[in-house]
Amino acid sequence: RKEVEQDPGPFNVPEGATVAFNCTYSNSASQSFFWYRQDCRKEPKLLMSVYSSGNEDGRFTAQLNRASQYISLLIRDSKLSDSATYLCVVRGTGGSYIPTFGRGTSLIVHP
Amino acid sequence: GAGVSQSPSNKVTEKGKDVELRCDPISGHTALYWYRQRLGQGLEFLIYFQGNSAPDKSGLPSDRFSAERTGESVSTLTIQRTQQEDSAVYLCASSLRLASDTQYFGPGTRLTVL
Repeated sequence: RKEVEQDPGPFNVPEGATVAFNCTYSNSASQSFFWYRQDCRKEPKLLMSVYSSGNEDGRFTAQLNRASQYISLLIRDSKLSDSATYLCVVRGTGGSYIPTFGRGTSLIVHP
Repeated sequence: GAGVSQSPSNKVTEKGKDVELRCDPISGHTALYWYRQRLGQGLEFLIYFQGNSAPDKSGLPSDRFSAERTGESVSTLTIQRTQQEDSAVYLCASSLRLASDTQYFGPGTRLTVL
């Protein structure tokens, strides 16, 4: 089983739709969780950290479920500009600062 | 302020040649990471530096790969005797500290080995 798994998609949704991605991780000792966004042929950029209590930033909501070892990202009212690949990142297993990146989930928002 | 910069942006080389990739982190950032991203794949950790501590080289795929960093400034990633499977985008990221949540990525160097 891979350390961090994501459905590669693509998820094709119309503007205004709500879409959710999940990411599962294999090591229960993982400490920190993040979502990064990567546009085509560009570098990744931090979208949001994921906290145990869940967190929201505008149209984006991230949740952590430690019992089932997954994190989720919910995007409401999708915009064309949300089209990108969303990378799940897990860090801090066994005191390590090495992040493990998922392969990413591709989102395409169409008019 | 200036972000992370990398050079060259593109590098085409012949199999067997050595290449050197450069990363300029954000000023004041003590932590610096190198990653490799093959086409359609996730980011693969290679090495990180934190201040003057010994780097964590656990992700380097073979002894053909090495990296150096001078203090808290520029880093170079060297690949000796390049192979076709080394073709990828090499990304550098820096953060204020090793434990910082946010890593700031450079635009990457796209390496093609013919």
